[in-house]
Amino acid sequence: DQQVKQNSPSLSVQEGRISILNCDYTNSMFDYFLWYKKYPAEGPTFLISISSIKDKNEDGRFTVFLNKSAKHLSLHIVPSQPGDSAVYFCAASEPGNQFYFGTGTSLTVIP
Amino acid sequence: DVKVTQSSRYLVKRTGEKVFLECVQDMDHENMFWYRQDPGLGLRLIYFSYDVKMKEKGDIPEGYSVSREKKERFSLILESASTNQTSMYLCASSPLRQTFTDTQYFGPGTRLTVL
Repeated sequence: DQQVKQNSPSLSVQEGRISILNCDYTNSMFDYFLWYKKYPAEGPTFLISISSIKDKNEDGRFTVFLNKSAKHLSLHIVPSQPGDSAVYFCAASEPGNQFYFGTGTSLTVIP
Repeated sequence: DVKVTQSSRYLVKRTGEKVFLECVQDMDHENMFWYRQDPGLGLRLIYFSYDVKMKEKGDIPEGYSVSREKKERFSLILESASTNQTSMYLCASSPLRQTFTDTQYFGPGTRLTVL
């Protein structure tokens, strides 16, 4: 059973607007979360992380929000750029354990 | 920059063949991983290794085995390929020993088709 879910397979956003990608998880023991970005024909690359002691982490245009009570995290990209068009995976892990990945959301930023 | 390389980008094999997928990392990482990526299922962990000659099963190890004879190299073996093993295979490595809550660095992937 999928422990990490990304319910939106795709998302289209105008350049300059905000992109919001969502991720839900079922395991309350998860305490570390990552977002990866994947371009076609390349492996995923790390984007941003957050641990459960925080509810927000920011890195430039990218911000990840964690709502532990709702078992939900989201990635905000502001402003969105055409180069952000990629598949985004969220991943979660328990302490010292493997990562579980979501199914991915394909983001298209329209110029 | 960390570099993770995989021996083939595309591979076509026949049912029943033994298939070797090779992965090499150049950053002296202890941990190495093999995943498969399928539409609607995301990345699923097949096997991982936290040291030379050590291996641990992931979520979907059936039909696969691995070998780690050298720190930088982690091989995935399909003993007898089947059509349901047609997939994108991704190798990854990370630097912390026996802890996996760290960023993983991925190779470009091998798209395997089993006919």
